[in-house]
Amino acid sequence: ILNVEQSPQSLHVQEGDSTNFTCSFPSSNFYALHWYRWETAKSPEALFVMTLNGDEKKKGRISATLNTKEGYSYLYIKGSQPEDSATYLCAFRGSTLGRLYFGRGTQLTVWP
Amino acid sequence: DGGITQSPKYLFRKEGQNVTLSCEQNLNHDAMYWYRQDPGQGLRLIYYSQIVNDFQKGDIAEGYSVSREKKESFPLTVTSAQKNPTAFYLCASSERGQYSNQPQHFGDGTRLSIL
Repeated sequence: ILNVEQSPQSLHVQEGDSTNFTCSFPSSNFYALHWYRWETAKSPEALFVMTLNGDEKKKGRISATLNTKEGYSYLYIKGSQPEDSATYLCAFRGSTLGRLYFGRGTQLTVWP
Repeated sequence: DGGITQSPKYLFRKEGQNVTLSCEQNLNHDAMYWYRQDPGQGLRLIYYSQIVNDFQKGDIAEGYSVSREKKESFPLTVTSAQKNPTAFYLCASSERGQYSNQPQHFGDGTRLSIL
C-alpha cells in the first residue's frame, strides 16, 4: 500500500494566526495531488487538485504548493478563522490506477 | 440539487448478519468509491468502480462486496465475514475515474455499529 504522510497530526492556533501543514507522497508515477477539507458533521469538500510541479493554487485565504520531484505539498491558511477549523486531507493519485491514496489528515482547531 | 445520497445515516448490525449500505448519485459521474474511516486513521478504500458492471478491490476489500448495475448506484454489503465492521463509511463519486483530474464528491456517510 502506497504511503501518504501528513504532518502535523493536529494543530491548535489562535484566530488571526497563519498556519501551514505538509503532505508527503511518493515522487514517482505522480498524476495528481488532491486537498480536501472535512468539517465536523459534514462531508469532505474538495479544495484543490494539483497536477504540475511548481503548481500554486489559491482559494480565498487558503493556498497550496506542489513539489512533485521531492514529493511534498504545503497547504497554507492566512489569518485563520474559527470557521477554518476542520480536518484537512491530502490524497495522492498515481499514474496507473484511477484511485486516491489518502493521508490521515491534519486536524486544525482555530480558537477565537 | 445534484449530489450523493447515502442511507441510512446510522445502521446497527447483529452478529452474523449481512447489511447493505446504499449510495446513490445524480451527478452523472462514471466512477464511484467506498471508503472506511476508523478513529485515528485516514480514509481507506474498500472498493471502487470506474464504469457500470465493473469494479475493483481497494486496500481493505475482505468481508465486503459491491455491485454496479446502474451508473447512479453503488451499494456496499458488509458481510458476516467482516470481523470488525464498526466504522464510518463514506461513498464518493467522480467524473471519468481513470483519466480524470476532477475531485471526488462525497456523501454524508453511514455509521455502522454492532449490536
